[in-house]
Amino acid sequence: GAGVSQSPSNKVTEKGKDVELRCDPISGHTALYWYRQSLGQGLEFLIYFQGNSAPDKSGLPSDRFSAERTGGSVSTLTIQRTQQEDSAVYLCATRLAGSSYEQYFGPGTRLTVT
Amino acid sequence: GDSVTQMEGPVTLSEEAFLTINCTYTATGYPSLFWYVQYPGEGLQLLLKATKADDKGSNKGFEATYRKETTSFHLEKGSVQVSDSAVYFCALSDPGFQKLVFGTGTRLLVSP
Repeated sequence: GAGVSQSPSNKVTEKGKDVELRCDPISGHTALYWYRQSLGQGLEFLIYFQGNSAPDKSGLPSDRFSAERTGGSVSTLTIQRTQQEDSAVYLCATRLAGSSYEQYFGPGTRLTVT
Repeated sequence: GDSVTQMEGPVTLSEEAFLTINCTYTATGYPSLFWYVQYPGEGLQLLLKATKADDKGSNKGFEATYRKETTSFHLEKGSVQVSDSAVYFCALSDPGFQKLVFGTGTRLLVSP
């Protein structure tokens, strides 16, 4: 497709389980970002990838959160031992290299931890 | 660190009314400024942007001017429509990695 896609669109999990969230970027977009949108915290940055490397992980809230990107394309955000406060919409955004290009957002994955 | 402050919502207007949503920022360096919009049930979309002081971004009748002296980027529209009902987010991006720092969002409700 032409846009950023994310899967699953919805995920309900039990507290303590691990979850994986996937982002498929727009072809050719080398920059990839993960954000989280929650009622209490608004929209917050989690991690930035340029190609396969992550020069900015400063927004990851704890060591239970990790992310990787392979082949300069698909990215996976993993949350281990989920907690109720992890419930949020996780958004992926991608951008062409170069500072003048906008970020294109995917539809998000709504994560609910019960 | 960098931050964005925008007015609390919801903002409730009648169709054809004038809209202003205030946004101010704190940043080191010279960020780019953005307004994103989230329509009900949809993802975030870029509405407009400005990359340097005194630039005016505009799109779909919306405008915002990058004011360095007042560190502001207020969103305006002369005549709102029901279809403009959405949540509007002001944001800045750092000159380095371009990560976005968002305000808390302002919900706009336009009634016929």
